Amino acid sequence: AQSVTQPDIHITVSEGASLELRCNYSYGATPYLFWYVQSPGQGLQLLLKYFSGDTLVQGIKGFEAEFKRSQSSFNLRKPSVHWSDAAEYFCAVGAKGSSNTGKLIFGQGTTLQVKP
Amino acid sequence: DADVTQTPRNRITKTGKRIMLECSQTKGHDRMYWYRQDPGLGLQLIYYSFDVKDINKGEISDGYSVSRQAQAKFSLSLESAIPNQTALYFCATIDKGLWNEQFFGPGTRLTVL
Repeated sequence: AQSVTQPDIHITVSEGASLELRCNYSYGATPYLFWYVQSPGQGLQLLLKYFSGDTLVQGIKGFEAEFKRSQSSFNLRKPSVHWSDAAEYFCAVGAKGSSNTGKLIFGQGTTLQVKP
Repeated sequence: DADVTQTPRNRITKTGKRIMLECSQTKGHDRMYWYRQDPGLGLQLIYYSFDVKDINKGEISDGYSVSRQAQAKFSLSLESAIPNQTALYFCATIDKGLWNEQFFGPGTRLTVL
């Protein structure tokens, strides 16, 4: 069965430090991969997505993610975190060749806290 | 104005009551989704609709029903609310391509006592 795992439930980093949020997926073929961010009291917003091609993808707000097929991972990174990045981050996978639902399978989420 | 709106934003109700959560969108998208978010579980798909006449169950549809009144409106109903339906509910829309960005509403926090 398809699944997404975000091993870190909660991460705290200092403002200005680098950030890496981990995401592992389980799916037989190459999936569509997404990272969404949920700010407090808000809906989810797409940060970036990977479908094919260059395995390093750039997103909004200075985020990037790297697809590593051998590790079934799609980790999110940012070189320098800002206080406004404090939020919950969700990794999601959409399965190609599924029943054409556009259904996303979400990970459990990682809450990012930023220390001044 | 927000592209995807949800009403109410917060609701407290009692076990056995019927509740309707409403979603409206101005993006002109045909495809709409209802998700439920529980702490530590991410988002789970309840129902989805590809147009007014096309309604489909998601992975956790039991205890819920939906109505697609128009392209812009997609309502979620809990016929007889129970405490384990306490959660944060999100509506989302997507443009024609299946894997385009999903646009989410701000969510409805529902508490069933």
